[in-house]
Amino acid sequence: QKEVEQNSGPLSVPEGAIASLNCTYSDRGSQSFFWYRQYSGKSPELIMSIYSNGDKEDGRFTAQLNKASQYVSLLIRDSQPSDSATYLCAVRYSSASKIIFGSGTRLSIRP
Amino acid sequence: KAGVTQTPRYLIKTRGQQVTLSCSPISGHRSVSWYQQTPGQGLQFLFEYFSETQRNKGNFPGRFSGRQFSNSRSEMNVSTLELGDSALYLCASYTSGGSFETQYFGPGTRLLVL
Repeated sequence: QKEVEQNSGPLSVPEGAIASLNCTYSDRGSQSFFWYRQYSGKSPELIMSIYSNGDKEDGRFTAQLNKASQYVSLLIRDSQPSDSATYLCAVRYSSASKIIFGSGTRLSIRP
Repeated sequence: KAGVTQTPRYLIKTRGQQVTLSCSPISGHRSVSWYQQTPGQGLQFLFEYFSETQRNKGNFPGRFSGRQFSNSRSEMNVSTLELGDSALYLCASYTSGGSFETQYFGPGTRLLVL
Protein backbone atom coordinates (compact mmCIF):
# COMPACT_ATOMS: atom_id res chain seq x y z
CA GLN A 1 0.00 0.00 0.00
CA LYS A 2 1.36 3.36 -1.04
CA GLU A 3 1.86 5.77 1.81
CA VAL A 4 1.33 8.96 -0.18
CA GLU A 5 -1.21 9.01 -3.00
CA GLN A 6 -1.64 11.52 -5.78
CA ASN A 7 -3.66 11.50 -8.97
CA SER A 8 -1.09 11.16 -11.74
CA GLY A 9 -3.03 13.40 -14.11
CA PRO A 10 -2.49 15.03 -16.44
CA LEU A 11 -4.58 17.81 -15.00
CA SER A 12 -5.37 20.42 -17.62
CA VAL A 13 -6.36 23.90 -16.46
CA PRO A 14 -6.96 27.05 -18.53
CA GLU A 15 -4.62 29.97 -18.03
CA GLY A 16 -5.82 32.30 -15.29
CA ALA A 17 -7.90 29.64 -13.54
CA ILE A 18 -7.28 27.95 -10.19
CA ALA A 19 -5.42 24.64 -10.29
CA SER A 20 -6.21 22.28 -7.42
CA LEU A 21 -3.86 19.43 -6.59
CA ASN A 22 -4.66 16.83 -3.97
CA CYS A 23 -2.70 14.34 -1.92
CA THR A 24 -3.68 11.78 0.71
CA TYR A 25 -1.42 10.00 3.14
CA SER A 26 -1.80 6.88 5.20
CA ASP A 27 0.19 7.59 8.38
CA ARG A 28 -2.12 9.49 10.69
CA GLY A 29 0.75 10.67 12.89
CA SER A 30 2.55 12.48 10.06
CA GLN A 31 3.77 15.90 11.06
CA SER A 32 5.33 17.63 8.06
CA PHE A 33 3.97 18.09 4.59
CA PHE A 34 5.64 19.49 1.49
CA TRP A 35 4.82 20.39 -2.07
CA TYR A 36 7.53 20.27 -4.71
CA ARG A 37 7.43 21.32 -8.34
CA GLN A 38 9.51 19.48 -10.89
CA TYR A 39 10.00 20.65 -14.44
CA SER A 40 10.91 18.05 -17.03
CA GLY A 41 14.59 17.19 -16.82
CA LYS A 42 15.10 19.21 -13.64
CA SER A 43 15.26 18.35 -9.96
CA PRO A 44 12.34 19.01 -7.61
CA GLU A 45 12.13 22.44 -6.02
CA LEU A 46 10.31 23.17 -2.78
CA ILE A 47 7.18 25.32 -3.14
CA MET A 48 5.49 25.08 0.24
CA SER A 49 5.72 23.32 3.56
CA ILE A 50 2.86 23.08 6.04
CA TYR A 51 2.63 21.59 9.50
CA SER A 52 -0.66 22.73 11.04
CA ASN A 53 -4.26 22.25 10.01
CA GLY A 54 -5.63 25.02 7.86
CA ASP A 55 -4.35 27.13 5.02
CA LYS A 56 -0.93 28.58 4.34
CA GLU A 57 -0.54 31.13 1.59
CA ASP A 58 2.55 32.18 -0.32
CA GLY A 59 1.93 34.38 -3.33
CA ARG A 60 -0.25 32.53 -5.81
CA PHE A 61 0.14 29.27 -3.89
CA THR A 62 -2.01 28.06 -1.00
CA ALA A 63 -1.39 24.80 0.82
CA GLN A 64 -4.26 23.28 2.78
CA LEU A 65 -3.87 20.61 5.44
CA ASN A 66 -6.57 18.49 7.05
CA LYS A 67 -4.99 15.97 9.40
CA ALA A 68 -8.31 14.44 10.45
CA SER A 69 -9.06 13.52 6.83
CA GLN A 70 -5.39 12.87 6.07
CA TYR A 71 -5.16 15.03 3.02
CA VAL A 72 -3.12 17.97 1.89
CA SER A 73 -3.81 20.09 -1.16
CA LEU A 74 -2.16 22.80 -3.19
CA LEU A 75 -4.07 25.58 -4.91
CA ILE A 76 -2.45 27.66 -7.62
CA ARG A 77 -4.32 30.86 -8.37
CA ASP A 78 -4.10 32.73 -11.68
CA SER A 79 -2.40 29.73 -13.30
CA GLN A 80 0.30 30.54 -15.80
CA PRO A 81 1.80 28.37 -18.57
CA SER A 82 5.03 28.40 -16.54
CA ASP A 83 3.19 26.47 -13.83
CA SER A 84 3.05 23.46 -16.15
CA ALA A 85 5.10 20.85 -14.34
CA THR A 86 4.81 17.76 -12.17
CA TYR A 87 3.84 18.51 -8.58
CA LEU A 88 5.08 16.17 -5.90
CA CYS A 89 3.50 15.82 -2.49
CA ALA A 90 5.81 14.66 0.32
CA VAL A 91 5.11 13.66 3.88
CA ARG A 92 7.37 13.18 6.89
CA TYR A 93 6.19 11.35 9.99
CA SER A 94 8.65 12.92 12.38
CA SER A 95 11.85 14.92 12.25
CA ALA A 96 13.86 11.69 12.39
CA SER A 97 11.91 9.75 9.80
CA LYS A 98 12.31 9.64 6.06
CA ILE A 99 10.33 11.85 3.70
CA ILE A 100 7.95 9.86 1.54
CA PHE A 101 7.01 11.21 -1.88
CA GLY A 102 3.89 10.65 -3.90
CA SER A 103 4.21 9.74 -7.55
CA GLY A 104 3.33 13.27 -8.63
CA THR A 105 0.55 14.99 -10.58
CA ARG A 106 1.30 16.35 -14.02
CA LEU A 107 -0.25 19.79 -14.43
CA SER A 108 -0.73 21.41 -17.81
CA ILE A 109 -1.85 25.03 -18.12
CA ARG A 110 -3.40 25.65 -21.52
CA PRO A 111 -3.25 29.22 -22.95
CA LYS B 1 24.27 30.45 0.15
CA ALA B 2 25.38 27.96 -2.45
CA GLY B 3 22.88 25.22 -3.21
CA VAL B 4 23.30 21.48 -3.09
CA THR B 5 25.94 20.32 -5.52
CA GLN B 6 26.31 16.89 -7.05
CA THR B 7 29.12 15.41 -9.07
CA PRO B 8 29.37 14.13 -11.64
CA ARG B 9 26.28 15.36 -13.48
CA TYR B 10 26.32 12.61 -16.08
CA LEU B 11 27.82 9.17 -16.03
CA ILE B 12 27.89 6.21 -18.38
CA LYS B 13 28.89 2.83 -17.03
CA THR B 14 28.61 -0.77 -18.12
CA ARG B 15 26.97 -3.65 -16.32
CA GLY B 16 29.04 -5.07 -13.51
CA GLN B 17 30.99 -1.89 -12.87
CA GLN B 18 30.66 0.19 -9.74
CA VAL B 19 30.03 3.88 -9.37
CA THR B 20 30.45 6.53 -6.69
CA LEU B 21 28.36 9.69 -6.64
CA SER B 22 29.11 12.72 -4.53
CA CYS B 23 26.90 15.29 -2.86
CA SER B 24 27.79 18.49 -1.02
CA PRO B 25 24.90 19.86 1.04
CA ILE B 26 24.00 23.45 1.67
CA SER B 27 26.32 24.96 4.24
CA GLY B 28 24.99 24.29 7.73
CA HIS B 29 22.74 21.41 6.69
CA ARG B 30 23.68 18.24 8.54
CA SER B 31 21.25 15.84 6.94
CA VAL B 32 21.61 14.40 3.45
CA SER B 33 19.15 12.13 1.69
CA TRP B 34 19.54 10.21 -1.53
CA TYR B 35 16.79 9.33 -3.99
CA GLN B 36 16.52 7.38 -7.18
CA GLN B 37 14.13 8.71 -9.79
CA THR B 38 12.96 6.71 -12.78
CA PRO B 39 9.98 7.27 -15.10
CA GLY B 40 8.35 4.07 -13.94
CA GLN B 41 8.95 4.17 -10.20
CA GLY B 42 9.00 7.87 -9.48
CA LEU B 43 11.08 9.24 -6.64
CA GLN B 44 12.27 6.45 -4.38
CA PHE B 45 14.09 7.01 -1.11
CA LEU B 46 17.50 5.35 -0.83
CA PHE B 47 18.93 6.49 2.50
CA GLU B 48 19.41 9.43 4.80
CA TYR B 49 22.47 10.44 6.78
CA PHE B 50 22.64 12.77 9.72
CA SER B 51 25.90 13.66 11.43
CA GLU B 52 27.75 10.80 9.70
CA THR B 53 25.17 8.20 10.79
CA GLN B 54 22.66 6.48 8.56
CA ARG B 55 19.31 7.43 10.01
CA ASN B 56 16.93 5.85 7.52
CA LYS B 57 17.18 3.35 4.70
CA GLY B 58 14.87 2.57 1.81
CA ASN B 59 14.11 -0.78 0.21
CA PHE B 60 17.11 -1.14 -2.04
CA PRO B 61 19.53 -4.07 -2.27
CA GLY B 62 22.84 -4.04 -0.46
CA ARG B 63 24.59 -3.04 -3.69
CA PHE B 64 23.53 0.48 -2.81
CA SER B 65 25.50 2.02 0.01
CA GLY B 66 26.40 5.42 1.25
CA ARG B 67 28.33 7.38 3.79
CA GLN B 68 28.62 10.85 5.18
CA PHE B 69 31.77 12.65 6.16
CA SER B 70 32.41 15.00 9.06
CA ASN B 71 31.92 18.02 6.79
CA SER B 72 28.43 16.66 5.89
CA ARG B 73 29.45 15.80 2.35
CA SER B 74 28.01 12.47 1.30
CA GLU B 75 28.78 9.77 -1.19
CA MET B 76 26.73 6.90 -2.46
CA ASN B 77 28.11 3.82 -4.11
CA VAL B 78 26.45 1.29 -6.35
CA SER B 79 28.36 -1.91 -6.93
CA THR B 80 27.82 -4.50 -9.65
CA LEU B 81 25.70 -2.17 -11.76
CA GLU B 82 22.62 -3.51 -13.49
CA LEU B 83 20.73 -2.06 -16.45
CA GLY B 84 17.87 -1.20 -14.11
CA ASP B 85 20.11 1.11 -12.12
CA SER B 86 19.92 3.65 -14.93
CA ALA B 87 18.21 6.60 -13.31
CA LEU B 88 18.52 10.13 -12.04
CA TYR B 89 20.10 10.06 -8.59
CA LEU B 90 19.14 13.01 -6.47
CA CYS B 91 20.69 14.22 -3.30
CA ALA B 92 18.88 16.55 -0.93
CA SER B 93 20.07 18.39 2.11
CA TYR B 94 17.74 19.06 4.97
CA THR B 95 17.54 21.34 7.93
CA SER B 96 15.06 21.76 10.73
CA GLY B 97 14.62 24.00 13.71
CA GLY B 98 11.57 24.33 15.89
CA SER B 99 8.56 24.19 13.58
CA PHE B 100 10.67 24.90 10.52
CA GLU B 101 12.14 22.28 8.27
CA THR B 102 13.01 22.18 4.65
CA GLN B 103 14.77 19.99 2.13
CA TYR B 104 16.50 21.20 -1.02
CA PHE B 105 17.50 19.02 -3.93
CA GLY B 106 20.66 19.10 -5.94
CA PRO B 107 20.65 18.98 -9.75
CA GLY B 108 21.12 15.22 -9.76
CA THR B 109 23.46 12.75 -11.39
CA ARG B 110 22.08 11.03 -14.44
CA LEU B 111 23.48 7.50 -14.62
CA LEU B 112 23.21 5.36 -17.71
CA VAL B 113 24.17 1.71 -17.45
CA LEU B 114 24.88 -0.05 -20.74
